[in-house]
Amino acid sequence: GENVEQHPSTLSVQEGDSAVIKCTYSDSASNYFPWYKQELGKGPQLIIDIRSNVGEKKDQRIAVTLNKTAKHFSLHITETQPEDSAVYFCAASISGGGNKLTFGTGTQLKVEL
Amino acid sequence: DTGVSQDPRHKITKRGQNVTFRCDPISEHNRLYWYRQTLGQGPEFLTYFQNEAQLEKSRLLSDRFSAERPKGSFSTLEIQRTEQGDSAMYLCASSAAGTGEVTGELFFGEGSRLTVL
Repeated sequence: GENVEQHPSTLSVQEGDSAVIKCTYSDSASNYFPWYKQELGKGPQLIIDIRSNVGEKKDQRIAVTLNKTAKHFSLHITETQPEDSAVYFCAASISGGGNKLTFGTGTQLKVEL
Repeated sequence: DTGVSQDPRHKITKRGQNVTFRCDPISEHNRLYWYRQTLGQGPEFLTYFQNEAQLEKSRLLSDRFSAERPKGSFSTLEIQRTEQGDSAMYLCASSAAGTGEVTGELFFGEGSRLTVL
């Protein structure tokens, strides 16, 4: 089955700096890659996703890149703010496979003032 | 609130007892998923329904676990004879089935946290 690895496990940045989280996946058939933000005591919230037919997607301060050949994708957050502090999860799935997401182990992002 | 709703939010039980969690998905979503999340880990897929049909179950879903979605709307997840290893957050998510090769986005609820003493 699919295996998703995520790095780093913790990331501390200064407010205003950029943060980058990287994930690799094992199943070349995976074609949907969402990113979720999870705050303490809450469920994961979708923040951005990318499908395998594009290499990059941007939404305001958040961008995701996908390299299908290398089987890795990354989340980029620019101009970080304290409210960006949370745990971020990457995930992968195969369209037509019921969208069963395989998640990475998460990155605890801390944005310091 | 029109998001995914889960109940109860917290459940503390003694080992050997049965527990049941309920999930109400977003009303127009025909797919419903159960995931389990332990501390410091990402959510792990347990099972999913399309309408009332349970289409797939993970190996994580032992025979002590049973999930139902009788009318294709809300779903229940029951754990019988709970064990300490069942302590986790149980997350429900829903989505609209995608069209063609497009995958529908998953929207998660706040989760039901189970503590087995």
